[in-house]
Amino acid sequence: KAGVTQTPRYLIKTRGQQVTLSCSPISGHRSVSWYQQTPGQGLQFLFEYFSETQRNKGNFPGRFSGRQFSNSRSEMNVSTLELGDSALYLCASSQGQRHTGELFFGEGSRLTVL
Amino acid sequence: DQQVKQNSPSLSVQEGRISILNCDYTNSMFDYFLWYKKYPAEGPTFLISISSIKDKNEDGRFTVFLNKSAKHLSLHIVPSQPGDSAVYFCAARGIQGAQKLVFGQGTRLTINP
Repeated sequence: KAGVTQTPRYLIKTRGQQVTLSCSPISGHRSVSWYQQTPGQGLQFLFEYFSETQRNKGNFPGRFSGRQFSNSRSEMNVSTLELGDSALYLCASSQGQRHTGELFFGEGSRLTVL
Repeated sequence: DQQVKQNSPSLSVQEGRISILNCDYTNSMFDYFLWYKKYPAEGPTFLISISSIKDKNEDGRFTVFLNKSAKHLSLHIVPSQPGDSAVYFCAARGIQGAQKLVFGQGTRLTINP
C-alpha cells in the first residue's frame, strides 16, 4: 500500500510569490490534514479536509488555504509569501474515523522563502 | 499559548538503558495522547497512543504513562537501541476533531553505543 505522497519535496520561492503544494493520501483514506513544522515550534495544525469539506482550521492567516478533490487528493496554497513561511509542510491522512487519532504523514515539502 | 510542552530539547542515553521522554499539557479536554518519532528527511511515524481514561499503555519496548492530575505523560523505551535515535513528538487530540493534533516542540533522543 503506497504511503502519503507529497510534491514537490523541495522548493525555493521569493517574498511575495505564491506556492501550491500537493498531497496524495493513502488509498482509501478520506481525511487529509496539513501541518507546518518550523524549528522550535513543533508541528502546527493548518487545516483538515474530509470529503472535500474543510472540517477544522488552525490559527493561520488567510494567506494559507487548501482544498480537497473528489479523489481525496489535497492541495494547499500560500499566497504573498513571507520569510517566516519557510518551513516543512507536512500532509497527513487517515480514514477519518474517530479512533486513536493516528495519522499517516508524508515526507513533507520543504519551502524556502528568500 | 503552548498547550503541549516538551521541556527537554534533547536527551542522550546509553544503549541498553532506559530512555524517558516527558511531556506536559494544559488542556484537560484532550482525550487521546500520541507519540510520534521522526527521522531526518522523513515524515513523523506513529509510535504509541493512550486514551485519557487509561494511565498506562504498553507496546513492546515502548510504554506510555499518563498522569491526569499532573497533566503529564511520559514515554519509556526499554532497552534503548541505536535505531531509536530520532526526534520524538508528543501530541494531543481534542474532542472536537479526530485529525487535529496539538504537538509539542519535540525532543531529540540520541542513543550512544
